[in-house]
Amino acid sequence: KAGVTQTPRYLIKTRGQQVTLSCSPISGHRSVSWYQQTPGQGLQFLFEYFSETQRNKGNFPGRFSGRQFSNSRSEMNVSTLELGDSALYLCASSLVGGFGYEQYFGPGTRLTVT
Amino acid sequence: LAKTTQPISMDSYEGQEVNITCSHNNIATNDYITWYQQFPSQGPRFIIQGYKTKVTNEVASLFIPADRKSSTLSLPRVSLSDTAVYYCLVGDGDGGSQGNLIFGKGTKLSVKP
Repeated sequence: KAGVTQTPRYLIKTRGQQVTLSCSPISGHRSVSWYQQTPGQGLQFLFEYFSETQRNKGNFPGRFSGRQFSNSRSEMNVSTLELGDSALYLCASSLVGGFGYEQYFGPGTRLTVT
Repeated sequence: LAKTTQPISMDSYEGQEVNITCSHNNIATNDYITWYQQFPSQGPRFIIQGYKTKVTNEVASLFIPADRKSSTLSLPRVSLSDTAVYYCLVGDGDGGSQGNLIFGKGTKLSVKP
């Protein structure tokens, strides 16, 4: 079956702009989580959506938001971009979410803020 | 979630067995131990998960002692393609709100010819 897909794969934005990233989970998976990866901070959890509701949230400012649609596809939005938002943004899906269930990661979206 | 400690880096040669140990002294009764592998510019990939004793799959083995305060990921006969960062995670095995993956720094494994 098809894996997790993320679009776009690469993105260059300017400070102050906003950006929307998209994630399509594996068919049948209802949980979608987003992570930010930077060389300095490593992999950090942003938020998780399950059945169109945000179930968990990491320690990120309100500029980072997301949503999930009825088909489980998810989008992540970052407003008022800062240079420090340059990172690899990863999306992961799993059947029902939760640590005990394997999470499948997408290839990520590489965001560069100039 | 329980904090984990693992070596920052390890070197090995092709064909050798590699053992990466992870410490998780504060592991809770409901916690499971999971290992992920990540190649550069890719998302992490699930390797193995266990609760106690030994778990083996086609890729690796996971050894967990009785006190569960540590665990060891064993990769048999590594190849150059096993060069990656390996993350040890510990968390509540139940679904729902307990389930965020908290990644540490991981262990960067370098396999040499």
